[in-house]
Amino acid sequence: AQSVTQPDIHITVSEGASLELRCNYSYGATPYLFWYVQSPGQGLQLLLKYFSGDTLVQGIKGFEAEFKRSQSSFNLRKPSVHWSDAAEYFCAVGDTGNQFYFGTGTSLTVIP
Amino acid sequence: EPEVTQTPSHQVTQMGQEVILRCVPISNHLYFYWYRQILGQKVEFLVSFYNNEISEKSEIFDDQFSVERPDGSNFTLKIRSTKLEDSAMYFCASSERLVMETQYFGPGTRLLVL
Repeated sequence: AQSVTQPDIHITVSEGASLELRCNYSYGATPYLFWYVQSPGQGLQLLLKYFSGDTLVQGIKGFEAEFKRSQSSFNLRKPSVHWSDAAEYFCAVGDTGNQFYFGTGTSLTVIP
Repeated sequence: EPEVTQTPSHQVTQMGQEVILRCVPISNHLYFYWYRQILGQKVEFLVSFYNNEISEKSEIFDDQFSVERPDGSNFTLKIRSTKLEDSAMYFCASSERLVMETQYFGPGTRLLVL
């Protein structure tokens, strides 16, 4: 069965530091992978997605993610975090049935 | 930029009462979804809807749940007889096409069942 694991429940980084949020998935076929961000009181906003092709994908707000099939991972990165990046981040995998499977999310705190 | 909207943002209800959560998907989208997130847990798929019928549902989506597209713009989730464990954030989403098209999510309705 499809599943997504985000090992880090909560991460704290200093503003300007680099960030990596981990995501591991379990899926039998080629996965369709997404990262969403949720700010307080807001809906889930798509940061980036991977369907095929280049395994390093660029998203909005300076985020990128790398698909590594051998590690079943799709980690999200940002070279320099801004205070406005504080939010909840969700990794998701989609299947051909159009159903999304989400991870439990990682809460990011940014300290000045 | 078009967005998915949901009303109400918060709802408090008594156990056993019926609730209807409303969503207005993006206007040219054809596929609609409901998800829920119990506090502290992951976002879980409930149901997908296309062409006025359910296309897929999870085991969570039992007989107490129903969905409807009563007109050309709204998409509703009805819970017939709420239980305490229905307390959660409910997200509506829509997508333009099927199969791996990006799903756009609304801000959610926080439901509290007392």
